[in-house]
Amino acid sequence: TQLLEQSPQFLSIQEGENLTVYCNSSSVFSSLQWYRQEPGEGPVLLVTVVTGGEVKKLKRLTFQFGDARKDSSLHITAAQPGDTGLYLCAGAASGGSNYKLTFGKGTLLTVNP
Amino acid sequence: EAGVAQSPRYKIIEKRQSVAFWCNPISGHATLYWYQQILGQGPKLLIQFQNNGVVDDSQLPKDRFSAERLKGVDSTLKIQPAKLEDSAVYLCASKHSSGANVLTFGAGSRLTVL
Repeated sequence: TQLLEQSPQFLSIQEGENLTVYCNSSSVFSSLQWYRQEPGEGPVLLVTVVTGGEVKKLKRLTFQFGDARKDSSLHITAAQPGDTGLYLCAGAASGGSNYKLTFGKGTLLTVNP
Repeated sequence: EAGVAQSPRYKIIEKRQSVAFWCNPISGHATLYWYQQILGQGPKLLIQFQNNGVVDDSQLPKDRFSAERLKGVDSTLKIQPAKLEDSAVYLCASKHSSGANVLTFGAGSRLTVL
């Protein structure tokens, strides 16, 4: 069973601060995705990283995939209250019709105004 | 494009009762997933369908959980009899067979077992 460990589990910060969330595994993934989930809703895809060492930016969010494709990080610059939510990383082991995701436990982020 | 529809949104039952959840995926999405998300945890895959066939049900507690997708479109997940530890949000997601590996999730069905 492939496991994804996320840290920290909880994070409460003030508006304007920076933060980094980590996602680590002992397994290699063909790709890794980050989702954001708000209360009462399903997870929504933020980004997919595929290549080891890849860095992707989405406005104030920066995502990095480790060189060995076992870990990833999400960095938020100048956090805003609208960034509040549960951030989930998910690793994929295959593609096509057999594509399935293994999720971490998530990081619950609260950004206080 | 309409999203993934799930119902009911909320259900409260007593232990040993039964419950069923329904999911209608995005039109044309051949792959359908049911995930269980317990409070404070990430989603855990219960079962994956490709059209009307099961691809993976290795983590489905088959003594009490069942799921079907008879016509390869909408799907039903049933729990009978329910246990306290089944309290969770049940998420349905769908994916197109080809192209980008992007899962679209429904809003989920929250189950409380008393």
